Amino acid sequence: GENVEQHPSTLSVQEGDSAVIKCTYSDSASNYFPWYKQELGKRPQLIIDIRSNVGEKKDQRIAVTLNKTAKHFSLHITETQPEDSAVYFCAARSGGSYIPTFGRGTSLIVHP
Amino acid sequence: DGGITQSPKYLFRKEGQNVTLSCEQNLNHDAMYWYRQDPGQGLRLIYYSQIVNDFQKGDIAEGYSVSREKKESFPLTVTSAQKNPTAFYLCASSIGDTIYFGEGSWLTVV
Repeated sequence: GENVEQHPSTLSVQEGDSAVIKCTYSDSASNYFPWYKQELGKRPQLIIDIRSNVGEKKDQRIAVTLNKTAKHFSLHITETQPEDSAVYFCAARSGGSYIPTFGRGTSLIVHP
Repeated sequence: DGGITQSPKYLFRKEGQNVTLSCEQNLNHDAMYWYRQDPGQGLRLIYYSQIVNDFQKGDIAEGYSVSREKKESFPLTVTSAQKNPTAFYLCASSIGDTIYFGEGSWLTVV
């Protein structure tokens, strides 16, 4: 089955800096890569996703890049704000399954 | 994503007791899921169901049971066979690619 590794487990940045979270996956047939944000005590919510036929996708201050050859994808947050502080999860879904496999999460802390 | 309701929000259980967590969705989604969340462990899949009266084990199904008698309902029972049940439990449903989560239930064994 699919295996997703996520790094770093904790990321601390100053307000206004950029933050990058990286994930690698094992199944070359994976074709859908969502990112979820979970604020403390709340439900995970989808913030951005990318499919295997696209190399990059942007939505305001967040972007995701995908390198199919290397089997890794990354979340980029620019001009970070304290409200970006949360746990971020990446996931990968193989073409043969509708169940995504999640990474272990990255705790992002943005210091004012 | 506000159409998935989990109850109770907080639950305390004595060792040796079974407990059932409720999950109801009004999104008309076919697929439903249960995840367990522990610190540093991410989201681990317990059970999932694609259609009514059918469900499959996920990665950590031991000590848990589910039923799917109605499309909108997918309750999870944490049995006494589950060795470390204290955790945050998330119910989810999906249509197409996107998974939507409920607010979660905190279960503590005392």
